Formats: sequence, structure tokens, C-alpha cells
Amino acid sequence: DVKVTQSSRYLVKRTGEKVFLECVQDMDHENMFWYRQDPGLGLRLIYFSYDVKMKEKGDIPEGYSVSREKKERFSLILESASTNQTSMYLCASSLLGRSAEAFFGQGTRLTVV
Amino acid sequence: AQKVTQAQTEISVVEKEDVTLDCVYETRDTTYYLFWYKQPPSGELVFLIRRNSFDEQNEISGRYSWNFQKSTSSFNFTITASQVVDSAVYFCALNNAGNMLTFGGGTRLMVKP
Repeated sequence: DVKVTQSSRYLVKRTGEKVFLECVQDMDHENMFWYRQDPGLGLRLIYFSYDVKMKEKGDIPEGYSVSREKKERFSLILESASTNQTSMYLCASSLLGRSAEAFFGQGTRLTVV
Repeated sequence: AQKVTQAQTEISVVEKEDVTLDCVYETRDTTYYLFWYKQPPSGELVFLIRRNSFDEQNEISGRYSWNFQKSTSSFNFTITASQVVDSAVYFCALNNAGNMLTFGGGTRLMVKP
């Protein structure tokens, strides 16, 4: 059974903290993605990676960074968490190519207080 | 630039009613792929269907059917004889170039018994 696993389901952090969200996939996929989901705005792409150590900015990269040291793992980093980063974060992976479907993790609901 | 619009933010129906979820997209590319995903209350997005821009045949899978019309840039999704288990948020998405999926804002479907 294919799987994308996010390290936490719920997370509460304080303003100014450095926050790490971890994602692991077991499908040997080249692509990995981090999306943010907010009501009415759908899913917005923060960053994606098509290979180890490679990363590309998505639509809303400000305030975030990513790390991909191994093919199966893609980390999202909030350098200094702010209340406007309270959201649902979704990790996904896929094979290369525009026809490839993406597989999603269960999401991490992050609250910054 | 590519864009996906799901004008219906929320739809409520009674069980056994038919319901159509609208999706309109914008892209300048001639080759692209369209997707529908379902997000049940558990949070994990589930892939439903993929369509390429050269295949305008409608598709039926059980109670689900999809109507792709290139002339109107629409890819609508119909659920026949809806059931309570169909309650979810449904997302339409587009991938035209590269490896990035662009999502619509989602439609929340509530099916009442």
C-alpha cells in the first residue's frame, strides 16, 4: 500500500519558534510537494522538489524553506512561525511528468499562538 | 499562467439526489491533464480521475461521471444518487507543464440523509 506519512497530525507552536514539518514517502517518487490548505483558497503550493537537494518555489514560498537530503524525505521549515501561518499543511509525492497523480499525506494542522 | 475555478464553495443535497460539481480551467497549453480529488473528513486527498487534453470522451465509473468539454474549458463531475459517504471536499486540478498541480478552491459537498 503506497504511503505518504507526515510526522504530526496536530501541532501547536509559539510565535517566533522554528518549526519543522516532516514528510516521508515509500514509493520511490521523484517529486515531492508541500501545499498549504486554507478555506476557500484550495491548495496552494509552497515548494516542491524533483530530486534530492533540488527545490523550486511554488506560489507562496515566503516565510518557508525546505530540505530534501534523501529521496524519500521532504521537510518544510518555518523559520520564525507567525500566526498567519496557522493552517493545514499537506505533503504529496508523485512520479515525474504532468500526467502523474499525486499521493497525499494525512495533513498536519498547525496552530501558531 | 494556469488557473482552476470551482465556483461552488458549498453544496448541500439530500441523499439520492444527483449533484454536479463544476470546474473551469484556464491554460494556454494544448497539452495538459485534469484531475479530480476527494478529501473526506479524515483529511487525506484521494485521487479520483485523470483526463488528458486530447481525450474528450466522457467517463463513467459507477455513480461517478465526468464531462470534459474543451470548448468551454470545463471538467465537471456528477455524482448520481448521492450517498452520505459522498460528503467531502472535492478538488479539481490542472497540470499543464512541469510537475506542478494547480488546484481549484474546492467544493464542499454535504449529503444529508
